[in-house]
Amino acid sequence: QSALTQSASVSGSPGQAITISCTGTSSDAGSYKVVSWYQQYPGKAPKLMIFEGSKRPSGVSHRFSGSTSGNTASLTISGLQAEDEAEYYCCSYIISWSLDVVFGGGTKLTVL
Amino acid sequence: EVQLLESGGDLVQPGGSLRLSCAASGFTFSSYSMSWVRQAPGKGLEWVSVISGSGGSTYYGESVKGRFTISRDNSKNTLYLQMNSLRAEDTAVYYCAKIPFRGVIYFDSWGQGTLVTVSS
Repeated sequence: QSALTQSASVSGSPGQAITISCTGTSSDAGSYKVVSWYQQYPGKAPKLMIFEGSKRPSGVSHRFSGSTSGNTASLTISGLQAEDEAEYYCCSYIISWSLDVVFGGGTKLTVL
Repeated sequence: EVQLLESGGDLVQPGGSLRLSCAASGFTFSSYSMSWVRQAPGKGLEWVSVISGSGGSTYYGESVKGRFTISRDNSKNTLYLQMNSLRAEDTAVYYCAKIPFRGVIYFDSWGQGTLVTVSS
């Protein structure tokens, strides 16, 4: 059973930088393709923030950045703002004889 | 502007069936793979299914395989999810989402979701 593990919560003060990690626990570590990241406010649909590990869609603030090292992907938010308080999910997939898409459990970001 | 509008969510009894729809606009619907992603109350996101632009290829998560069927009508710019043998654990908000490129899986546009409640 493959999974993506995220810490349940993270917090930071306005202006600070925080990092959310997403670790693959697949027995086939490395078989999962690159990660995307989504922001979700309560009661709202998710929004794509990062794709292919480090690329930002147009319209997403430059304060959001993504990186990958080994089987861990990271989302960094710099210059934290109150509006960044939300749930963040990582997502990856594997294409072998079929397709499997997996989301991390989500990380609640609290801006103090 | 891409718009995805889900409908069809309802209260249904365990063992029942339901069909969700997702009306798409603002892009060439037939050129893009589409997906359903769900979220149980208070829980995280769970991938449900993907369908290719032509409809010729479909994929399912393990928890819905054999019970749910994804399909699309490109003449109507509409994505569907037929859900059979529904269980309490299928209770969730169901989102449709657009996949921007072939060969990669991520979701660049999402609908607002439709709530499915499975309960007696």
